[in-house]
Amino acid sequence: AQSVTQPDIHITVSEGASLELRCNYSYGATPYLFWYVQSPGQGLQLLLKYFSGDTLVQGIKGFEAEFKRSQSSFNLRKPSVHWSDAAEYFCAVAHNNNDMRFGAGTRLTVKP
Amino acid sequence: DVKVTQSSRYLVKRTGEKVFLECVQDMDHENMFWYRQDPGLGLRLIYFSYDVKMKEKGDIPEGYSVSREKKERFSLILESASTNQTSMYLCASLRQPLYNSPLHFGNGTRLTVT
Repeated sequence: AQSVTQPDIHITVSEGASLELRCNYSYGATPYLFWYVQSPGQGLQLLLKYFSGDTLVQGIKGFEAEFKRSQSSFNLRKPSVHWSDAAEYFCAVAHNNNDMRFGAGTRLTVKP
Repeated sequence: DVKVTQSSRYLVKRTGEKVFLECVQDMDHENMFWYRQDPGLGLRLIYFSYDVKMKEKGDIPEGYSVSREKKERFSLILESASTNQTSMYLCASLRQPLYNSPLHFGNGTRLTVT
């Protein structure tokens, strides 16, 4: 069963607008949480990760994500989207030190 | 730079054939993974391994097996290929502890089963 849920299959935002991509996980304990991005025809690149400590984590390319234990969520945000952010975004979770499971992905389209 | 090499970029096989997908990493990583990526389904974990000769089932192991005889090599085997196994297969590796480094992916093998 999928342990990571990305409710939005496809999101379209205008360039310069803010962005939030949703991710929910289903493990009982605090998992390790990640966001990866895959540009068309490219491999996956790690944007950011959360293990413990500050629940707001900063990543590359101006992205941030907030871990909310009460909502079992780890949503990805960016204050101002650029056309080059168009890609597919994957949330991932590891519930121990060995495995890594991904969500179904959210495809982001950026309108000029 | 970590290199994860998958032996084939494109592969076409017939239904019923036994298929071997090979993956080699050059950075002494403990953990290795096999995923398949399908549109709308994301990356689904087939099998993973955290040590030589150790293997764990992921979410969709049916129809697949794996082998990890050496630390650097993790092979995925399709015992009898079927058309529903047509997909992009991604191998990845990771150094322990996993919070210290990202997953490193191979370029993928696009398998078509006819």
